Amino acid sequence: NAGVTQTPKFQVLKTGQSMTLQCAQDMNHEYMSWYRQDPGMGLRLIHYSVGAGITDQGEVPNGYNVSRSTTEDFPLRLLSAAPSQTSVYFCASSYSSGTGSDVDEQYFGPGTRLTVT
Amino acid sequence: AQSVSQHNHHVILSEAASLELGCNYSYGGTVNLFWYVQYPGQHLQLLLKYFSGDPLVKGIKGFEAEFIKSKFSFNLRKPSVQWSDTAEYFCAVNTGGFKTIFGAGTRLFVKA
Repeated sequence: NAGVTQTPKFQVLKTGQSMTLQCAQDMNHEYMSWYRQDPGMGLRLIHYSVGAGITDQGEVPNGYNVSRSTTEDFPLRLLSAAPSQTSVYFCASSYSSGTGSDVDEQYFGPGTRLTVT
Repeated sequence: AQSVSQHNHHVILSEAASLELGCNYSYGGTVNLFWYVQYPGQHLQLLLKYFSGDPLVKGIKGFEAEFIKSKFSFNLRKPSVQWSDTAEYFCAVNTGGFKTIFGAGTRLFVKA
């Protein structure tokens, strides 16, 4: 199994440009999420999905869109890039273990380092 | 709002020293707790987790953590660190539902 894959690994954008970060998983997990990692702030949840066709906002959703047409894929779209979106983006997937948590251990992708100039 | 605090942002230890990384959360109900590790150049992976039962949980690579409900804490420990433990460590809390809150992380550097 490849686990969680993300492309690209690095990207440089100019302010105002748009792009899509790709994320795919082959573990048949219902839950997928996008985080951004900034120094001193840990990981912050951008958007998440609990299954195909179902998405919801996390802590910091502004400036980002998501969709989930299949169980495997969960792309993140930056509509009009801003320097404040310079960050490392991680995609993760998980399952519900039925032990009281709706989200169990999360499996993370390798990340995309995005710079907006 | 729920939050997770990791008290030490940077820790430097010599090999064989003991490690304890603090984690406190703000939520009065049932929680599920995680410690993740990010080795240099690698993605995050799970060290250990607590859902219920014995509050002392053991994870991979000799790490353990203790859940103390009265202190809202879930501290990570290792009796003797190795150079290969150099990494960033994240505490995370799920209070039910689909959102997991992460702490800011602690960067550990182990001197050989």
